[in-house]
Amino acid sequence: GAGVSQSPSNKVTEKGKDVELRCDPISGHTALYWYRQSLGQGLEFLIYFQGNSAPDKSGLPSDRFSAERTGGSVSTLTIQRTQQEDSAVYLCASSFRTRDSPLHFGNGTRLTVT
Amino acid sequence: AQTVTQSQPEMSVQEAETVTLSCTYDTSESDYYLFWYKQPPSRQMILVIRQEAYKQQNATENRFSVNFQKAAKSFSLKISDSQLGDAAMYFCAYRSRPGYSGGGADGLTFGKGTHLIIQP
Repeated sequence: GAGVSQSPSNKVTEKGKDVELRCDPISGHTALYWYRQSLGQGLEFLIYFQGNSAPDKSGLPSDRFSAERTGGSVSTLTIQRTQQEDSAVYLCASSFRTRDSPLHFGNGTRLTVT
Repeated sequence: AQTVTQSQPEMSVQEAETVTLSCTYDTSESDYYLFWYKQPPSRQMILVIRQEAYKQQNATENRFSVNFQKAAKSFSLKISDSQLGDAAMYFCAYRSRPGYSGGGADGLTFGKGTHLIIQP
């Protein structure tokens, strides 16, 4: 595809349920990033991948959050036993892994936990 | 670790006027990249402009230009002839070399953003 694709666009789930958010990066981009953005706030880094490995998971808020990337392409962010404070927009971005490469972002998934 | 500060949570400008959004950063590196991103209500972050730290010339992209002051660690964005479509959140971002251990998130740091309002 031409850009970073995220699905679903919106997700409403009940507290305690598990959710999976998907990110399909731009073809050829080796680096993939997940960010969380609460309403009206800045970007909170969650995790990044270089290929299929995740050198930096420091931003994952708790062990309920996990992510994987397969084939150096699609990534899935999983939130187990969702809580209301998990409600936010989850943004995915990809780039070539060079310093001058900007991030290309998807449209995000808006997660609402009721 | 690097920090990026956007001191203006919100700015307002009349349509067709010029507005400047401020961004300062803290780093011990001498070579890095700086970016401005725009996030309209559609949520997608869009690259507006980028600047290489070793280039003294300020980057420009049509109505958007930056004032890069390396010694002062300042990277402000100027929007000329503001248009209604410029209304958005604007984020300043710093990028060190990939794998730089002094910065988390693969050397990427974002500011908290400035909400730009365009008055018709």
